[in-house]
Amino acid sequence: SQQGEEDPQALSIQEGENATMNCSYKTSINNLQWYRQNSGRGLVHLILIRSNEREKHSGRLRVTLDTSKKSSSLLITASRAADTASYFCATFAYSGAGSYQLTFGKGTKLSVIP
Amino acid sequence: DTEVTQTPKHLVMGMTNKKSLKCEQHMGHRAMYWYKQKAKKPPELMFVYSYEKLSINESVPSRFSPECPNSSLLNLHLHALQPEDSALYLCASSQGSLLGADTQYFGPGTRLTVL
Repeated sequence: SQQGEEDPQALSIQEGENATMNCSYKTSINNLQWYRQNSGRGLVHLILIRSNEREKHSGRLRVTLDTSKKSSSLLITASRAADTASYFCATFAYSGAGSYQLTFGKGTKLSVIP
Repeated sequence: DTEVTQTPKHLVMGMTNKKSLKCEQHMGHRAMYWYKQKAKKPPELMFVYSYEKLSINESVPSRFSPECPNSSLLNLHLHALQPEDSALYLCASSQGSLLGADTQYFGPGTRLTVL
């Protein structure tokens, strides 16, 4: 079953504005990761947040994790045209005995207009 | 060196051809992965190699054959592909051997077109 689901599917904002993307998941996880992908290229890892963490920052990025609501958000502050890309969340769940799963969500396509 | 390289960048092949995709990393990572990504879709895991041994095969058709000659190299051999196999093929690596437990570093991908 699909684990991570990003919301919205597409987002268009003006340069300088903040962009918020959300990711919801269904089962317990060990960590949640956010990746960025520029059109037709490889994914770039942004932030990994573990299940016992609530918030992490990296530069203009802020990720929160609410395990009670099974959701995460990615906030990009003071957006730039170069932030235009697709953003994916990926959930990692380890259930022991060598059983684990990494699942990517469908992604949010962010467009930052100069 | 924090880079994963993939060759070729683009590949066009017929359904009767045999070709190979190559991936290389020199970060000392113990796990390497192949993903397939169709347009506007998330990456789908195909294979995982951990310590040079195949640890996960996500029910991928046998026309895709992975190979890990050493800890730095990962190949994907292609034979008798179908047009629906056209996609972006991504290689990734990670420090740990447990898929998803830590950061994955992705290559730029190979854009494959099957005619």
